[in-house]
Amino acid sequence: AQSVTQPDIHITVSEGASLELRCNYSYGATPYLFWYVQSPGQGLQLLLKYFSGDTLVQGIKGFEAEFKRSQSSFNLRKPSVHWSDAAEYFCAVGEISAASKLTFGTGTRLQVTL
Amino acid sequence: DSGVTQTPKHLITATGQRVTLRCSPRSGDLSVYWYQQSLDQGLQFLIQYYNGEERAKGNILERFSAQQFPDLHSELNLSSLELGDSALYFCASSYGTGGGNTEAFFGQGTRLTVV
Repeated sequence: AQSVTQPDIHITVSEGASLELRCNYSYGATPYLFWYVQSPGQGLQLLLKYFSGDTLVQGIKGFEAEFKRSQSSFNLRKPSVHWSDAAEYFCAVGEISAASKLTFGTGTRLQVTL
Repeated sequence: DSGVTQTPKHLITATGQRVTLRCSPRSGDLSVYWYQQSLDQGLQFLIQYYNGEERAKGNILERFSAQQFPDLHSELNLSSLELGDSALYFCASSYGTGGGNTEAFFGQGTRLTVV
């Protein structure tokens, strides 16, 4: 069965600093990978997704992620964080047969200091 | 706005009771998924319906059931509620069966509190 590990429960960065959120997955084949963001009291918004092709994917709000098969990782990055990026971030893996049947990581809560 | 509508937004009920959560998928989406987000278990897939038929099952309790109606809206029924069922329940929808390169769009969730 697939699994997702987000090793950082909580990260604090200063506004304007760069950000990298880690995600490692376990899956028997090439996975479908996603990053979602959840603001307080809100639903889940898709930031970006990887299905195939270019391993560096661009998403909304200036986020990008890189798929590294050799490391089973799909880390999320942003060059300059804004205070409005404070939220919880979830990495997820979808099955080949059902990309939308997702297994989520435990999430990383991002705090941004001014 | 994802286009997925969930009602109600909040629900408070007593132990032992039964509740129904409703979800309207995005226009054109045939698949509906239910997820539970709790402090203990995190975000977990419960069940998927495609065009009225159950497609996949996850960690869904026997006390819970779901269905998808001909107009494609879905309902999640939770019965004999326990304190541990308190959680945020998300509905998501996707085009087609969800296979291949499709993505899920999530609703705002229904927060269930069992007292």
